[in-house]
Amino acid sequence: DADVTQTPRNRITKTGKRIMLECSQTKGHDRMYWYRQDPGLGLRLIYYSFDVKDINKGEISDGYSVSRQAQAKFSLSLESAIPNQTALYFCATSDPRFGYGYTFGSGTRLTVV
Amino acid sequence: RKEVEQDPGPFNVPEGATVAFNCTYSNSASQSFFWYRQDCRKEPKLLMSVYSSGNEDGRFTAQLNRASQYISLLIRDSKLSDSATYLCGFTGGGNKLTFGTGTQLKVEL
Repeated sequence: DADVTQTPRNRITKTGKRIMLECSQTKGHDRMYWYRQDPGLGLRLIYYSFDVKDINKGEISDGYSVSRQAQAKFSLSLESAIPNQTALYFCATSDPRFGYGYTFGSGTRLTVV
Repeated sequence: RKEVEQDPGPFNVPEGATVAFNCTYSNSASQSFFWYRQDCRKEPKLLMSVYSSGNEDGRFTAQLNRASQYISLLIRDSKLSDSATYLCGFTGGGNKLTFGTGTQLKVEL
């Protein structure tokens, strides 16, 4: 099994729908992150969490919310999806005890029509 | 100045060539630096950390120049399998990673 698992892998949804992307990890890392990747714009941070009780906005949090249900689970919700939220979404984890490099999940390709 | 800048490429090189990429950053307080490799439609994977003294891992060498605020990645004896996009990343405030947009490498026969 992958260390960081994202579901679903692909999703097509309609404008205005609420959608949740899920992320779970088996690495025992405290820190978890959600990024989106768009061509030419690179990876941009949406939200991050340094432990279960900690939630922080990243650079592009508008239109998104998150929930840290447990150390191993960090979900991203799009409250009312819009077409410009079409992107590749990545969850990542890190642990400063082992350096600050991230381990990424395999991504969720989301299309909003 | 952008927070991080990378030449998007593509760098088209023949197999066996040596190729180098740079990544410049604007935050002088950045402390940790990394190179990631990303294959098309896949997740980024950590290639190597970048240390102040420079470090090498097989055909790959990473260097940090704090004075000029850039990191570099050198790939020797390029293989077809090295074709990918290479992302630089560094920690800014709050120990979160900021990434460059990536440099595309294509190694050709």
